[in-house]
Amino acid sequence: AQKITQTQPGMFVQEKEAVTLDCTYDTSDPSYGLFWYKQPSSGEMIFLIYQGSYDQQNATEGRYSLNFQKARKSANLVISASQLGDSAMYFCAMREGRSGNNRLAFGKGNQVVVIP
Amino acid sequence: NAGVTQTPKFRILKIGQSMTLQCTQDMNHNYMYWYRQDPGMGLKLIYYSVGAGITDKGEVPNGYNVSRSTTEDFPLRLELAAPSQTSVYFCASNLGQGAIGELFFGEGSRLTVL
Repeated sequence: AQKITQTQPGMFVQEKEAVTLDCTYDTSDPSYGLFWYKQPSSGEMIFLIYQGSYDQQNATEGRYSLNFQKARKSANLVISASQLGDSAMYFCAMREGRSGNNRLAFGKGNQVVVIP
Repeated sequence: NAGVTQTPKFRILKIGQSMTLQCTQDMNHNYMYWYRQDPGMGLKLIYYSVGAGITDKGEVPNGYNVSRSTTEDFPLRLELAAPSQTSVYFCASNLGQGAIGELFFGEGSRLTVL
């Protein structure tokens, strides 16, 4: 069964606008972690943001924020004030269990193209 | 600080050939991983290791082998290469216990099997 679901088609975003990337997850473990990674056309994987299942507040890192809705099992990434350099694939990933189990399951990704 | 280093970056293999993808990290991380990424897809876990001498299968281990003789190195061996193994391979590492689980990735190795 798919643990991470990212189903949005490729998105075009106007520079300086905000964009929301959807991610839903499936787990029965009460302890888990959610991650977002960016993969630009050069291919490297860049860690963006992390949300723990017990964290009370939504995670933020600069222009990135995570809209964590635990009851709906969703962990959407919000990128504010988009820049041309934000054009990339974005992957949502989940770690199940406590931090001792660090295997991440990845979704298929969301493609974002920022246009001037 | 080099982080996670993978070699080679590109390789073309003929069907039936074998090769080893090298991965080394200089962050003294206990946990290391091999993922593959097929076109338009996310990453799938091949093998992982929680420390020297300990390895375990991930989601898609068939056709691969690994070893972990040192903390730094985690090579991935492809035996009898098949076209289905055409992919981009990523090595990653993290601290393990006590860490949030963020993975530090190498730059990837693009393998084509013809």
